[in-house]
Amino acid sequence: DVVMTQSPLSLPVTLGQPASISCNSSQSLLYYDGNTYLHWFQQRPGQSPRRLIYSVSNRDSGVPDRFSGSGSGTDFTLKINRVEAEDVGVYYCMQGSHWPHTFGQGTKLQIK
Amino acid sequence: QVQLQESGPGLVTPSQTLSLTCTVSGGSISSGNYYWGWIRQPAGKGLEWIGRIYASGSTDYNPSLKSRVTMSIDTSKNQFSLNLSSVTAADTAVYYCARYSNPWGQGTTVTVSS
Repeated sequence: DVVMTQSPLSLPVTLGQPASISCNSSQSLLYYDGNTYLHWFQQRPGQSPRRLIYSVSNRDSGVPDRFSGSGSGTDFTLKINRVEAEDVGVYYCMQGSHWPHTFGQGTKLQIK
Repeated sequence: QVQLQESGPGLVTPSQTLSLTCTVSGGSISSGNYYWGWIRQPAGKGLEWIGRIYASGSTDYNPSLKSRVTMSIDTSKNQFSLNLSSVTAADTAVYYCARYSNPWGQGTTVTVSS
C-alpha cells in the first residue's frame, strides 16, 4: 500500500495567521492519465470528512479561497492563508492514484 | 446535488456479518464515470478504504479485508451495499459511503459486541 505521511500531526494556530500541512507519499501519485489524484479533506468535530481540494490544487465548490493546495510527485502541501475559528478540525490527505486508496494519519488544527 | 445516506444495524454480534446499504439521491448511481465506495473510521483513529464498486458491478477490495468483504450495487434502487463477514471488535467503527472521494454520507456507527 502507498503510505501517506502527514506533518505536523498537531497544529496550533493563532486566528488570522497562516497554516501549512505537509503530505508525503511513499510512491509517486502521478497516474498514467497524467493526473495526480491527491486530495485534501477537512473533518470538523462530529462530522463526516468534507473534500476541500482535489487533484492537488483544485478547490471544491463552496471552499473558501484561503485554502490552497500544491505539490507534485510525492510531496504535497495544504495551506490556509488566514485561519478562522471554523477551520478547527482534522485535515487528511488521501491518494486516489493507487489501490487501495490510502489516507494520511490526520493533522489536528486547533486555535491557540 | 448528490447525497448519500448509510443505513443498517448499529450493533452486530461477533462472528456474524455486518450489512450496510448506501442510498444515493439527487443523481443516478449509473451516471458519470464514478465508482462508489465504503470507508471506515474507528473511534479516534484514521480512515481506511474498504472497497469500491462501479455501476457495472465490478469491484475492488482492500487486500487487508478482501477475504471478508462483498459489495453489490442495485442501480434500480440507486443503492449499493457492503457485507463484512466474521466481524470482531476490531471492526467497530463509523462506516461511510462515498462517491469516489466526494461527497460522503454522514456515516453510521457500527459496534461489534455480544
